Amino acid sequence: DAEITQSPRHKITETGRQVTLACHQTWNHNNMFWYRQDLGHGLRLIHYSYGVQDTNKGEVSDGYSVSRSNTEDLPLTLESAASSQTSVYFCASSVGQGDSPLHFGNGTRLTVT
Amino acid sequence: GQQVMQIPQYQHVQEGEDFTTYCNSSTTLSNIQWYKQRPGGHPVFLIQLVKSGEVKKQKRLTFQFGEAKKNSSLHITATQTTDVGTYFCAGDAGNKLTFGGGTRVLVKP
Repeated sequence: DAEITQSPRHKITETGRQVTLACHQTWNHNNMFWYRQDLGHGLRLIHYSYGVQDTNKGEVSDGYSVSRSNTEDLPLTLESAASSQTSVYFCASSVGQGDSPLHFGNGTRLTVT
Repeated sequence: GQQVMQIPQYQHVQEGEDFTTYCNSSTTLSNIQWYKQRPGGHPVFLIQLVKSGEVKKQKRLTFQFGEAKKNSSLHITATQTTDVGTYFCAGDAGNKLTFGGGTRVLVKP
């Protein structure tokens, strides 16, 4: 069965370190998204991609970057981790750009100390 | 930018009772989607509404899209403990979804 996998599931890092969260999907979807989830804020879009070599900023993109070198993967990098980036991160993919259901990964819980 | 608001933020429900959660967008939507997230889990797609005034049902869940396509509601009848979780609406107003803050549902047995 097709799936979307995030790794690691849990990560603790120190302020100032670079961190990369992995996202791999086997749905063959062109569209991939990164969200962060914080209490009281729901799911906020960080970055998204509509295909290989395409990346776009979401509403909370500062301090994050993504790259899309193939269809399956959209890694999320925190350039210099800050305590404000402690959150649960979800990767998602979809067939369409806004008119299709999102398939979410299981999430990565990141703690920045 | 587009904003999507959900109320209430929390809903404490007695098992067997009904409740409704509401979703309001600052802009007209081309479609609205609803997701459920169980505690400790990830959001799972429930349904999509596209047409003005559309009503869809899934067993005890009834979803409605407003006539102006700027609001939506989810009504759950005869709440069960399996309904525990957070329900999110997500609106599409420009080829990407904006999520509401969610309604966290707690069921009292």
